[in-house]
Amino acid sequence: EDQVTQSPEALRLQEGESSSLNCSYTVSGLRGLFWYRQDPGKGPEFLFTLYSAGEEKEKERLKATLTKKESFLHITAPKPEDSATYLCAVQAWTSGNTPLVFGKGTRLSVIA
Amino acid sequence: DTGVSQNPRHKITKRGQNVTFRCDPISEHNRLYWYRQTLGQGPEFLTYFQNEAQLEKSRLLSDRFSAERPKGSFSTLEIQRTEQGDSAMYLCASSPRAENTGELFFGEGSRLTVL
Repeated sequence: EDQVTQSPEALRLQEGESSSLNCSYTVSGLRGLFWYRQDPGKGPEFLFTLYSAGEEKEKERLKATLTKKESFLHITAPKPEDSATYLCAVQAWTSGNTPLVFGKGTRLSVIA
Repeated sequence: DTGVSQNPRHKITKRGQNVTFRCDPISEHNRLYWYRQTLGQGPEFLTYFQNEAQLEKSRLLSDRFSAERPKGSFSTLEIQRTEQGDSAMYLCASSPRAENTGELFFGEGSRLTVL
């Protein structure tokens, strides 16, 4: 069974204090790993797709990386507006379209 | 606003009542998904449509749940004889491209509270 584990569950940072969020996964053949951001009371918002080990994607203060067993979301010099829950999801290879399997998320708070 | 639209945003009902949620996807998106999310958990897949065809349903989707997407446009999710365990946020998402089906556009969700 495909599984995603995110750590830590919650993270509190001072503004400007860089850190990383972890996403460990087990999947029967990785088609893609996805990062989403979710603000309270809203639906998730797509951030990145990673397809193969060694791949990296960047967007503003965020950089996502992928290995064969885990992905990291690095946050450089975060600002209060980066506070949100960050969700990781995987999609397995099958003959058809397989739904995303999400982790529970990491709740990030950035304090000014 | 051309995003995914869900209605109602909030629904409070008594146990045993039926409820229906509606989702209007981004126009021309041919794939539509329903997910359920409870507090502190990630979204859990319920079902998905490609155009009007319902192609997959999760084992989470009991017989009390039914989803439709007539004419391949908007979709409805109906829950019959609601139970307190059905209380959750019901998220709809759509996707335009077959080759990148992990990039989903989510609506803001419909929050269900069953008393």
